[in-house]
Amino acid sequence: DIQMTQSPYSLSASIGDSVTITCRAGHNIGNYLNWYQQKPGKAPALLIYAASTLQSGVPSRFSGSGSGTDFTLTISSLQAEDFATYYCQQSYITAYTFGQGTRLEIK
Amino acid sequence: QVQLVQSGAEVKKPGASVKVSCRASGYAFTQFGINWVRQARGQGLEWVGWVSGDNGSTYYAQRLQGRVALTTDPSTNTAYMELRSLTSDDTAVYFCARLLRAGWILYFDSWGQGTLVTVSS
Repeated sequence: DIQMTQSPYSLSASIGDSVTITCRAGHNIGNYLNWYQQKPGKAPALLIYAASTLQSGVPSRFSGSGSGTDFTLTISSLQAEDFATYYCQQSYITAYTFGQGTRLEIK
Repeated sequence: QVQLVQSGAEVKKPGASVKVSCRASGYAFTQFGINWVRQARGQGLEWVGWVSGDNGSTYYAQRLQGRVALTTDPSTNTAYMELRSLTSDDTAVYFCARLLRAGWILYFDSWGQGTLVTVSS
C-alpha cells in the first residue's frame, strides 16, 4: 500500500485567512491525488481530483497543486462553511489509501 | 442525480457477520465500480475495498482480506458489503462511494450517507 501523510494534523485559522494543507505520498503517484472535505456527521465530499482539478460546484477559493510525492491544498479567504476535516487520497493503485486527515478549526 | 442510499444501523455481537447494502440510482449501475470506506468514531477514513459494477471483480484492503466480501446485484442496482468474524475494532461508520474514471484519473464522486455498525457483547 502507498502511505499518505498529511500535515498539520490540525489547524486553527480565522475567517478570511488563507491556509495550506500538505500531503506527502510514500511513492511517486504522478497526479493521482484527490482531496475531500468532511463535516461532522456527514459523508466526505470531493473537492479536487487529479491534484488540481476543481470538482464541479466547488468554490474557486479552493485550489490544489503538486505532483509526484508532494501536494498541497490551499483555501484562500476562509469562509465559515470551510471549517471541516480534509483528507487527501491517492488513486495511483487500487488500494486507495487516505491521509490521516487535517482538522481545520475556527480560531 | 446520482444517489447512493445505504441500509440502516446494525448492532452485532463479536464473532458475528454483518451485511450492509448500498442502493444506487441516477446512473447506469454497471458502468461504475463501488468502493467501501469505513471510519471509526473520531478517526480517519480507511479504504475497505472495491467491486466492479459489471463483472463483480473485487479488490480488498490487505488487513481485511479473508473477512470481507463485496458483491453486487445489477438487477436491483445494489452493492453489498459483508464483514465476518466481527470484533470491537470493526465498530465504525461504513460508507459506499461511486468510483468515477476520467481518463486515467479515478476518484470517488458520490457517497452514501453511511451505516453505523456497532460490535458489542
